[in-house]
Amino acid sequence: TQLLEQSPQFLSIQEGENLTVYCNSSSVFSSLQWYRQEPGEGPVLLVTVVTGGEVKKLKRLTFQFGDARKDSSLHITAAQTGDTGLYLCAGAEDSNYQLIWGAGTKLIIKP
Amino acid sequence: EAQVTQNPRYLITVTGKKLTVTCSQNMNHEYMSWYRQDPGLGLRQIYYSMNVEATDKGDVPEGYKVSRKEKRNFPLILESPSPNQTSLYFCASSLSWPATNEKLFFGSGTQLSVL
Repeated sequence: TQLLEQSPQFLSIQEGENLTVYCNSSSVFSSLQWYRQEPGEGPVLLVTVVTGGEVKKLKRLTFQFGDARKDSSLHITAAQTGDTGLYLCAGAEDSNYQLIWGAGTKLIIKP
Repeated sequence: EAQVTQNPRYLITVTGKKLTVTCSQNMNHEYMSWYRQDPGLGLRQIYYSMNVEATDKGDVPEGYKVSRKEKRNFPLILESPSPNQTSLYFCASSLSWPATNEKLFFGSGTQLSVL
């Protein structure tokens, strides 16, 4: 089973600042998904990246898949208090139909 | 409304008392899965099902059973719960294997405490 290391585990910043969350693996994934989870709820899909080097933007969120499809990053520009939550990455391992999950980044945006 | 429904939301039980957590989806999804979420460990897959009557073990299947007799339901059964199964459980579904362009939908979770 592949491992997906997510960093940082915890991040607390002021509103308006920028931040980047990373997911890294030593193995290749067929695709990678980013989810956001709020307390008391299940994760909600933000984006799926498929092609090596792919960049997708969702308003102030920018997602990038590494060229070798082993890593990914989530960059938030001008963070807002509404961005607070647990961010999870998940790599697709098509060979055995499993999603490999990172441990999550707990993000707190202070007003 | 398209959704994955889990019940109950909260459950406190004692060691050894069999329990079932129900999961139902109304989106005609083929793929369903159970996860447990523990602090610092992220989501770990317990079992998954690619379609009716097709179930497979995930990373942490010990102590759990599942069944998929009909497309919409995927119950999680703990025959003899133990304290190390205290966790937050999520059921999820997608139209097919959740990679590429498939979206995985999650239920709201079941917080289980085994005393």
